[in-house]
Amino acid sequence: DSGVTQTPKHLITATGQRVTLRCSPRSGDLSVYWYQQSLDQGLQFLIHYYNGEERAKGNILERFSAQQFPDLHSELNLSSLELGDSALYFCASSAGTSGVGELFFGEGSRLTVL
Amino acid sequence: EDQVTQSPEALRLQEGESSSLNCSYTVSGLRGLFWYRQDPGKGPEFLFTLYSAGEEKEKERLKATLTKKESFLHITAPKPEDSATYLCAVQALNYGGSQGNLIFGKGTKLSVKP
Repeated sequence: DSGVTQTPKHLITATGQRVTLRCSPRSGDLSVYWYQQSLDQGLQFLIHYYNGEERAKGNILERFSAQQFPDLHSELNLSSLELGDSALYFCASSAGTSGVGELFFGEGSRLTVL
Repeated sequence: EDQVTQSPEALRLQEGESSSLNCSYTVSGLRGLFWYRQDPGKGPEFLFTLYSAGEEKEKERLKATLTKKESFLHITAPKPEDSATYLCAVQALNYGGSQGNLIFGKGTKLSVKP
């Protein structure tokens, strides 16, 4: 158990809809990262929040947004969903923010867009 | 363009049959190379970080090595519980200050039969 909790584990929705994925980091970790994992693209970095502030952006679409709340949990909002957004979405956390460090991943949220 | 390529995509071994997984990378300066293990339905789990060519790290039956262009994950006398997908990731020098800004390969799915 990594200590990172993600909900929901599975989500099925329709094209054009909006969903919110939630992540609680390990106790004490200030950094939260979001990733998308699809069969053809592998694991892709989306965005990084540190102590409530956006720290870095990766390959995140404009239809996607995230935030980190004062209690350090984070939410990833996906809107105007398309079939191609079907994927596993992982959250990870770490104690630090920069440099080289170990990431602790949650078990993921599987999104299916029909 | 920074890129990570893992081979083979899938590997089937008999219990006790040693082998190696390959991770080739093209990056504009390497800060660190990571190996993660991912079990079905789970998030990636950290194994190793390597920083410079010639470096080696070991953990139980796994040994990771690094050259200037590739890394190998050697598995000695594997057991069925070593079955998983092994992911390689790199952090480039121009990583933007975020620990999570990693470039992942698509992984090698290892199956070890008793």
